Amino acid sequence: DTGVSQDPRHKITKRGQNVTFRCDPISEHNRLYWYRQTLGQGPEFLTYFQNEAQLEKSRLLSDRFSAERPKGSFSTLEIQRTEQGDSAMYLCASSSQTGAAGYTFGSGTRLTVV
Amino acid sequence: AQSVTQLDSQVPVFEEAPVELRCNYSSSVSVYLFWYVQYPNQGLQLLLKYLSGSTLVKGINGFEAEFNKSQTSFHLRKPSVHISDTAEYFCAVSVMDSNYQLIWGAGTKLIIKP
Repeated sequence: DTGVSQDPRHKITKRGQNVTFRCDPISEHNRLYWYRQTLGQGPEFLTYFQNEAQLEKSRLLSDRFSAERPKGSFSTLEIQRTEQGDSAMYLCASSSQTGAAGYTFGSGTRLTVV
Repeated sequence: AQSVTQLDSQVPVFEEAPVELRCNYSSSVSVYLFWYVQYPNQGLQLLLKYLSGSTLVKGINGFEAEFNKSQTSFHLRKPSVHISDTAEYFCAVSVMDSNYQLIWGAGTKLIIKP
């Protein structure tokens, strides 16, 4: 297992366009998390899945954001009608159900909205 | 509600000097404790964790941390830092009440001076 993979590493898009990011977690992990991180800040929780079920979504997450994990394996995060304020690093992590071993993070997708 | 406080946003230290990065948490129930490191433009990497047992835990890259239940602290230490330790360090806790989700500190930027 090569860890958590995120694709793409970088994405530049024009304001108003839709973007989709992919995350492939560690195969034995049934939990998958999405975070957003802006410069100089800690990770901000967006949403998480246990298997294919989306169990929690941040109240800060607008309706333009949607995430899926259709078969309980990889996940996608879509942002519709992107805004400049969406520019950030989007981090994916996976863990076991108790998280006792900690989360394993991917390298992130850096989104720049111009 | 649980919270994590990292008291210093930046810690400058000379190369080969010792360093301590402070982390305090609040929780009325038992917690798991973690330190993560983030190098520039990368995801987060687990440095070390405390689940139970010995209060002194050793991690990667020569770092260690001590869990102090009475002071609700989990400070990170290294006896001699190197230029390569320049990074941001995040303390995090997970609790059963939060369904084991990680609660993050704001991060401490470690700046190594030559």
